[in-house]
Amino acid sequence: DIQLTQSPSFLSASVGDTVTITCRASQGISSYLAWYQQKPGKAPKLLIYAASTLQSGVPSRFSGSGSGTDFTLTISSLQPEDFATYYCQQLNFYPLTFGGGTKVEIK
Amino acid sequence: EVQLVQSGAEVKKPGESLKISCKGSGYIFTNYWIVWVRQMPGKGLEWMGIIYPGDSDTRYSPSFQGQVTISADKSISTAYLQWSSLKASDTAIYYCARPGRAAMITYGMDVWGQGTTVTVSS
Repeated sequence: DIQLTQSPSFLSASVGDTVTITCRASQGISSYLAWYQQKPGKAPKLLIYAASTLQSGVPSRFSGSGSGTDFTLTISSLQPEDFATYYCQQLNFYPLTFGGGTKVEIK
Repeated sequence: EVQLVQSGAEVKKPGESLKISCKGSGYIFTNYWIVWVRQMPGKGLEWMGIIYPGDSDTRYSPSFQGQVTISADKSISTAYLQWSSLKASDTAIYYCARPGRAAMITYGMDVWGQGTTVTVSS
């Protein structure tokens, strides 16, 4: 199985900050990586696919980059509604594994 | 509107069987893979398996192979996740989800069900 290691697992930030979450794959997955946001009690929401393509309707303060084994999700100018848990998922090899998650909390 | 609507919460005893459902609407059900994802209390997302309703092609995560069965009835646009003998460790929220492109999985899951909470307790 492909292992996805997210870091940090937890981060504390303020409204207006820029935050970066990384996702490292145990082997190359090309650009077949997605990012999701999950709020408590809700289903995950797709933010980015193909490593850097913004899903329709997602604010442009979210951006993704990377290919191969190293990927990043950046949230520019953090808004109150962005405090949530974020997951990466690789879509290149079965099983389509998720990272362990990064919880973004208000400082 | 494209939707996945899941069956309601379940409370079961260890050893009992269970089948939960995920009904698709607003799109051609047979053209899109359906994924099942587990989320145990306070934990992250775990990919369980996937089915293509058009031909019932099914893949499982090794972690769930033999523990659950994924199926679909394309005549009623519904996918299923079932257990023959539940354990307390099956207590979780189970989500179904659909990728953003027909017949492809590489664009991420852009439509999700609301989740089904399964509680297994004696």
